[in-house]
Amino acid sequence: DTGVSQNPRHKITKRGQNVTFRCDPISEHNRLYWYRQTLGQGPEFLTYFQNEAQLEKSRLLSDRFSAERPKGSFSTLEIQRTEQGDSAMYLCASRSGQGSNQPQHFGDGTRLSIL
Amino acid sequence: QQQVKQSPQSLIVQKGGISIINCAYENTAFDYFPWYQQFPGKGPALLIAIRPDVSEKKEGRFTISFNKSAKQFSLHIMDSQPGDSATYFCADDRGSTLGRLYFGRGTQLTVWP
Repeated sequence: DTGVSQNPRHKITKRGQNVTFRCDPISEHNRLYWYRQTLGQGPEFLTYFQNEAQLEKSRLLSDRFSAERPKGSFSTLEIQRTEQGDSAMYLCASRSGQGSNQPQHFGDGTRLSIL
Repeated sequence: QQQVKQSPQSLIVQKGGISIINCAYENTAFDYFPWYQQFPGKGPALLIAIRPDVSEKKEGRFTISFNKSAKQFSLHIMDSQPGDSATYFCADDRGSTLGRLYFGRGTQLTVWP
C-alpha cells in the first residue's frame, strides 16, 4: 500500500507530557498538510508544507505545537506540555504539486487521548 | 470560522433509496469541491469532486450537482446501500493558492437494510 502512513495510530499520555507524531506522505507528493479532527466535526487545518518549507500555519497551532519536514519527505508534529483540549484525531494529508485540481489524500490519523 | 455549511447533520435512508447531502460555501475563490467519505477509525477518503465550471458530475451511484449562482453543491447517492453508511464531508479546496481544505461539519449517513 503506498498511501499516506501515520504513526502511531493511538497515543495515550498524561497531561503535561510531550508527544510526537509521524507522517509519511505518498512518495513524490511535495505538499503535506496536518489537520485536527474532534468528535462530530470536520477536519480543521493546522499547517501546510511545500517540500521542506512550512508555508502556512493556522491560529489553532499554538506555540506548544511544532511541525517539521526536514528533508521534504516525512513530517513530524510535536505537542509540548499536552492539555486535555489536545485530545483529538490528528490527520496528515499529501498532494501532488503537479497539475491542477490534485486531491488531498489522507492517512488514517493518530488518535491522541490525554489522561 | 465555518466557510462551508453542510446539512443535514444526520440522515437515515432505507436500502435502495436516495441520499442527498447539501453544502453551501461562502468564498468565491476556489479551485474545486471534493466530497470525502469517512468510516470510523479511518481517515477521510476522496469520493468524488467537481470543478466550478461543471454543473454536474456522476461517478457510478454518486452524483454531485453544483449551483454556482446559489453557491451551493450537493451529493446524491442513488440506490443507497448499507455499506454506504459513513460520515460524508464536503470541502472547499483552494488548491494551489492557499493549500488548505475547508471542511463542512459532516453528515452521518445510516442506510437501513
